[in-house]
Amino acid sequence: EDQVTQSPEALRLQEGESSSLNCSYTVSGLRGLFWYRQDPGKGPEFLFTLYSAGEEKEKERLKATLTKKESFLHITAPKPEDSATYLCAVQEETSGSRLTFGEGTQLTVNP
Amino acid sequence: KAGVTQTPRYLIKTRGQQVTLSCSPISGHRSVSWYQQTPGQGLQFLFEYFSETQRNKGNFPGRFSGRQFSNSRSEMNVSTLELGDSALYLCASSRQGGHFTDTQYFGPGTRLTVL
Repeated sequence: EDQVTQSPEALRLQEGESSSLNCSYTVSGLRGLFWYRQDPGKGPEFLFTLYSAGEEKEKERLKATLTKKESFLHITAPKPEDSATYLCAVQEETSGSRLTFGEGTQLTVNP
Repeated sequence: KAGVTQTPRYLIKTRGQQVTLSCSPISGHRSVSWYQQTPGQGLQFLFEYFSETQRNKGNFPGRFSGRQFSNSRSEMNVSTLELGDSALYLCASSRQGGHFTDTQYFGPGTRLTVL
């Protein structure tokens, strides 16, 4: 069974203090790993898709990387508007469109 | 381009009732997936529809059902509501879904409260 574990559960940073969020996964065959951001009361907002180990993608202050067992979301010099819950999800080769999500990391960036 | 829309945004029902939620996908998207989000279980896959057919199903009881119309709009129905069905129900659309690794874009969700 596909498993996705995110750590830490919650993270508090000061504005400008860089850090990383972790997503560990267990799947029989990875088709894609997705990162989403979710603000309170809203649906998840797509950030990145990673397909194979070694791949990296960047968007503004965010950079996502992928290895064979985990993915990291690096946040460089975060701002208060980066505060949100960050969700990681995997899509397995034989599971069709099903996304299996982790529990998320709740990030708070203080000014 | 308009995003995924869901109606209603909020619902309050009592145990034993049934409820129907609606989702309109992004224009040109043919796959619609439904997810349930709760504080204890997180986001869990309910089912996926493509070309008016259910293509994939998660581990939920038969009380949860859905359908898709020829214009790709989708509805999900929950019959005989239980307290544990209180959740945020999210709809996501993608171009093809299935074995294509295309991005799923989520709507704002319908917050269902069962009393």
